[in-house]
Amino acid sequence: EAGVVQSPRYKIIEKKQPVAFWCNPISGHNTLYWYRQNLGQGPELLIRYENEEAVDDSQLPKDRFSAERLKGVDSTLKIQPAELGDSAVYLCASSVRTGASTDTQYFGPGTRLTVL
Amino acid sequence: DAKTTQPPSMDCAEGRAANLPCNHSTISGNEYVYWYRQIHSQGPQYIIHGLKNNETNEMASLIITEDRKSSTLILPHATLRDTAVYYCIVRVVDYGQNFVFGPGTRLSVLP
Repeated sequence: EAGVVQSPRYKIIEKKQPVAFWCNPISGHNTLYWYRQNLGQGPELLIRYENEEAVDDSQLPKDRFSAERLKGVDSTLKIQPAELGDSAVYLCASSVRTGASTDTQYFGPGTRLTVL
Repeated sequence: DAKTTQPPSMDCAEGRAANLPCNHSTISGNEYVYWYRQIHSQGPQYIIHGLKNNETNEMASLIITEDRKSSTLILPHATLRDTAVYYCIVRVVDYGQNFVFGPGTRLSVLP
């Protein structure tokens, strides 16, 4: 079974430029998450989708960040314009509801963004 | 804020058992204990989770104290490939709730 796919793996841009990250979740997983991980810290949630609906975007800096999951499968996270402090690893994860009340999230390899 | 406390780093000799502790003294009755690990330049990888009983799978064992205020992740025969940051997370039993990661424990398996 293929895991969560993310691209690109690495991205270097200058500040004020736009950037976009793409995620393809595990087939059949209806829940998709975007996390940001700063150097030396654990990942922090940015947004969660249930199918195509963003059900938790409270931690997403909406002035410059946007995300979409138009057909409830792939997702794109965008930053415009990027700032120096946006340098981090952006992780995508997915999960599926099973008969149990809990779930396991599976993470992709992440996109390492460097803003110069 | 993360609800767990872990040592920042540990060393373990290759082939020996690695025992990683986690304190979660404020855990609620409806919260599971999850363990993930993150190998350098990779995304977090699920290891194991449990509610109150000890759990074992092909990767590790999870020992939860009777009062549920602490737990230990056991890697029975650590290899160099187990070198990673290990995260202990408590999380409500509610589908879709995000994982709140702390800084974790950096485990170094030494040859």
